[in-house]
Amino acid sequence: DTGVSQDPRHKITKRGQNVTFRCDPISEHNRLYWYRQTLGQGPEFLTYFQNEAQLEKSRLLSDRFSAERPKGSFSTLEIQRTEQGDSAMYLCATASGNTGELFFGEGSRLTVL
Amino acid sequence: GNSVTQMEGPVTLSEEAFLTINCTYTATGYPSLFWYVQYPGEGLQLLLKATKADDKGSNKGFEATYRKETTSFHLEKGSVQVSDSAVYFCALSAYYGNNRLAFGKGNQVVVIP
Repeated sequence: DTGVSQDPRHKITKRGQNVTFRCDPISEHNRLYWYRQTLGQGPEFLTYFQNEAQLEKSRLLSDRFSAERPKGSFSTLEIQRTEQGDSAMYLCATASGNTGELFFGEGSRLTVL
Repeated sequence: GNSVTQMEGPVTLSEEAFLTINCTYTATGYPSLFWYVQYPGEGLQLLLKATKADDKGSNKGFEATYRKETTSFHLEKGSVQVSDSAVYFCALSAYYGNNRLAFGKGNQVVVIP
């Protein structure tokens, strides 16, 4: 299966620690998105890359969050000085064109104690 | 801003029953509308879409019609199966060709044999 892959699937950390999530897209997809999903809510847009360029960031993405896609392939999402409110599922999605169809990974669940 | 509202609460029904999940939206311009589905243990995947008013999206026996006059995109299936048990999300993009999606909260559907 060459779908969108996310790692780790689950991360438990203590408040104040830094965490990093990785997303490996479908190989021919040049567009990559990060979403956050909390319990009982739908996914909320965080940021968007086209190739290596970060083209859009949501105001949800505070200064403690940083995302990169250095070679236009895999992407990382880092959260510094985690807070309990950061506990959520972080979803990566990719697309190859402008059809509106996103291909989602299974997500990385963050639990901040 | 653009937003999607789904009916509250999970939906539980018997196999072969008729399913309707309500979705209404608020948007400026001409959004595209989507239904995504998340099966247990899997990532979200596109179920169907409609890109302009009066379009009907359909897939796997599910249908939804883009109603501009009522700003709605209700999902329907005439006869559900146990395998349709999943979480269903309504979503919109600001315009055709834009992959940044705004999602509703989702509805858990449980089909009982």
